Amino acid sequence: DSGVTQTPKHLITATGQRVTLRCSPRSGDLSVYWYQQSLDQGLQFLIQYYNGEERAKGNILERFSAQQFPDLHSELNLSSLELGDSALYFCASSAGLAASTDTQYFGPGTRLTVL
Amino acid sequence: AQKITQTQPGMFVQEKEAVTLDCTYDTSDQSYGLFWYKQPSSGEMIFLIYQGSYDEQNATEGRYSLNFQKARKSANLVISASQLGDSAMYFCAMREWAGGYQKVTFGTGTKLQVIP
Repeated sequence: DSGVTQTPKHLITATGQRVTLRCSPRSGDLSVYWYQQSLDQGLQFLIQYYNGEERAKGNILERFSAQQFPDLHSELNLSSLELGDSALYFCASSAGLAASTDTQYFGPGTRLTVL
Repeated sequence: AQKITQTQPGMFVQEKEAVTLDCTYDTSDQSYGLFWYKQPSSGEMIFLIYQGSYDEQNATEGRYSLNFQKARKSANLVISASQLGDSAMYFCAMREWAGGYQKVTFGTGTKLQVIP
């Protein structure tokens, strides 16, 4: 158990809908990262937050948004869902230090299926 | 150019044997980190081992060791005494620093199957 929690574990929805994925980082970690893992694209970095502020953006679509709250949990919002958004969405957290040993620990993932 | 290259899509190893999973990387940074993660069929990503670019000794964590050859830009994972539970996807990843935040790039993975 990495200490990172994600809910829900599975999500099935229809095209055009909107969903919210939730992540709680490990105790003491300030950075949260979101990744999308699909069969054809592999593991893609979406976005990073550090202590409530957006730090970096990767291959995140405009239909997707995220935020990190004062208690450091994070939510990833996916809207106008398309079939191609079906994937495993991971949240990872790290201490967020500039130290070279700062390691990302992953949550169990949310499997999103868009029908 | 790919930042992280894993050239072995799939590998088989006999139980109790050692296996090496290849990973090469591309960066012009002096300070970077290399990671290996394991993803079993259940889906979770499990951190295995870390090697910093300035670390002179190869990292080891139990049965896992990282064969770090900086000049060749390779960071191969060695699993000794393979177990059936080692069957999984293995991802190599590199962390670089960009503008004060860490940017992590993952390889495409190697599927390891341990044969009894």
